[in-house]
Amino acid sequence: DIVMTQSPDSLAVSLGERATINCKSSQSVLYRSNNKNYLAWYQQKPGHPPKLLIYWASARDSGVPDRFSGSGSGTDFTLTISGLQAEDVAVYYCQQYYSTPKTFGQGTKVEIK
Amino acid sequence: QVQLQQWGAGLWQPSETLSLTCAVYGGSFSGYYWSWIRQPPGKGLEWIGEVNHRGSTNYNPSLKSRVTISVDMSKNQFSLRLNSVTAADTAVYFCARAVYNYGAGILHFDNWGQGTLVTVSS
Repeated sequence: DIVMTQSPDSLAVSLGERATINCKSSQSVLYRSNNKNYLAWYQQKPGHPPKLLIYWASARDSGVPDRFSGSGSGTDFTLTISGLQAEDVAVYYCQQYYSTPKTFGQGTKVEIK
Repeated sequence: QVQLQQWGAGLWQPSETLSLTCAVYGGSFSGYYWSWIRQPPGKGLEWIGEVNHRGSTNYNPSLKSRVTISVDMSKNQFSLRLNSVTAADTAVYFCARAVYNYGAGILHFDNWGQGTLVTVSS
């Protein structure tokens, strides 16, 4: 299984400031034949299912605000929230879909400082 | 806009077979993979398995011996059965749609059901 490790486990950021979440996979999730990273990011608010934010490591899903951005390749990835808003308080998960079983990071809780 | 609506009993006794169903409304059923994912209270997400419209399945090896995911194309529904449940199976269970691309494979989860809290207790 590919192990996904996120850091930090939690972070508190002031409104309008930048939040950065890291995700590291135990093996590369870059598929050489199409040069795509099989990595997604989700946002989960209490009592709700996860919501897709980013796929292919950096492609924003439809309707996702452009303050959310994804970067990285191979084994190291980052989700950045540029200009944190109150509605961004949530737990964020990375997930690899390179191989079965699909696996998720343990989650990073983002709060307002 | 596609909607996934799931249902099933919330309380199961140890050793029983858990059963949940998810219906897909407003979108194509074929051309995607349909997954079950669970989340123990206060914990992270665990992928259980997936099925396509033809009934082709993939399972998490950690659960494979106890899981069956099936599809009913006539109703645009898919179901989860997990046998011999224990307290460790207590979780919120989500159904989800995985995007499928013939060349790129089974991809990210772009739509989710609302979740069902399943408790295993005597």
